[in-house]
Amino acid sequence: DAKTTQPTSMDCAEGRAANLPCNHSTISGNEYVYWYRQIHSQGPQYIIHGLKNNETNEMASLIITEDRKSSTLILPHATLRDTAVYYCIVRDNTDKLIFGTGTRLQVFP
Amino acid sequence: DTEVTQTPKHLVMGMTNKKSLKCEQHMGHRAMYWYKQKAKKPPELMFVYSYEKLSINESVPSRFSPECPNSSLLNLHLHALQPEDSALYLCASSHPERGGVGQYFGPGTRLTVT
Repeated sequence: DAKTTQPTSMDCAEGRAANLPCNHSTISGNEYVYWYRQIHSQGPQYIIHGLKNNETNEMASLIITEDRKSSTLILPHATLRDTAVYYCIVRDNTDKLIFGTGTRLQVFP
Repeated sequence: DTEVTQTPKHLVMGMTNKKSLKCEQHMGHRAMYWYKQKAKKPPELMFVYSYEKLSINESVPSRFSPECPNSSLLNLHLHALQPEDSALYLCASSHPERGGVGQYFGPGTRLTVT
């Protein structure tokens, strides 16, 4: 079973920051938080991952709380092309990714 | 090349047919995966190959038979499928020894069983 809880859907105005929350209260010490997104009719796309520290790359920033029980994915300047389903996944040291139901982000003009 | 390719893009098959889905990557990844995704649902893991050996089978029915002929190719052989097997089948790959690197997904094969 997925170990994460996310809101079903969110809206964001184009050009604004999109902040997508994720709860993972049962996360273990050696488990990573991964974020993927899936644009309609495409395969999922890796965005970012982290263990304890906040992370940033060219796509997004990941903020993980100190107790690691929740995290937030930040898209700093959302565009219409960021409309997608965003999946937050807790991954252990196996090769398994267990997808939850994700958050459907709609970016509007 | 950071691409995972899948063929065919679409496949329609009858319940008595035998068909195969193909997946290919040239990123030097040694782990490859099959996922199944029903409409409006998240992807579900089916199989994992690590260094060309099957390492995870998520209790998938035997009418789905995976094969990894070499480190770049992954096949999924289909036989005697049911209409409820209609779905998007996704292939992915990753570096198993680089635990922190994400999986790269292909665009999927949309399968319809009639």
